[in-house]
Amino acid sequence: SAVISQKPSRDICQRGTSLTIQCQVDSQVTMMFWYRQQPGQSLTLIATANQGSEATYESGFVIDKFPISRPNLTFSTLTVSNMSPEDSSIYLCSVSREGEQYFGPGTRLTVT
Amino acid sequence: QKEVEQDPGPLSVPEGAIVSLNCTYSNSAFQYFMWYRQYSRKGPELLMYTYSSGNKEDGRFTAQVDKSSKYISLFIRDSQPSDSATYLCAMSARGGGADGLTFGKGTHLIIQP
Repeated sequence: SAVISQKPSRDICQRGTSLTIQCQVDSQVTMMFWYRQQPGQSLTLIATANQGSEATYESGFVIDKFPISRPNLTFSTLTVSNMSPEDSSIYLCSVSREGEQYFGPGTRLTVT
Repeated sequence: QKEVEQDPGPLSVPEGAIVSLNCTYSNSAFQYFMWYRQYSRKGPELLMYTYSSGNKEDGRFTAQVDKSSKYISLFIRDSQPSDSATYLCAMSARGGGADGLTFGKGTHLIIQP
């Protein structure tokens, strides 16, 4: 398995501002993923982040809105930029280890 | 049509009952199938991971995959109140954790004491 922590666990932000979410894993992993979980909706993949390369974004998600950093094999950040109330969601970090994917506890974001 | 369909419930059953949770999917490229359990305000926890068609058992949990019908199931035997949670099915075309996962919406399960 994997031990994953996320910061912050929750936040309330004003529209137009940005929030950076941190994801830390207990040991090195190659693949890290960022997901969004909106109320009543499926967990949706935002992007895949490999260390040393640009993140790969899924359809409907763009780098200007969700910039991602992956500076090393145990850490990644996701920024939600120029937020609107529609960005209110839970954001989850996930890592791949031995072929299986494990999730962090999530960051609950409310945009007012 | 969504790629993965899952009845959101809630599904309420008495303690000790056998629970059946199901997902259907449309993308025939999916080869790897997972079930996650998610408690309120927690991240998803991996329960079962299977490849292609067949059955896999782990304690009280059994996962079944029928690729010909594009249908997967999770059975929980001797259900306990602590099994009350949301169960998410997930799938991918490639294994080894190379791809992100495609999820169903999740089924909210309630086990009545």
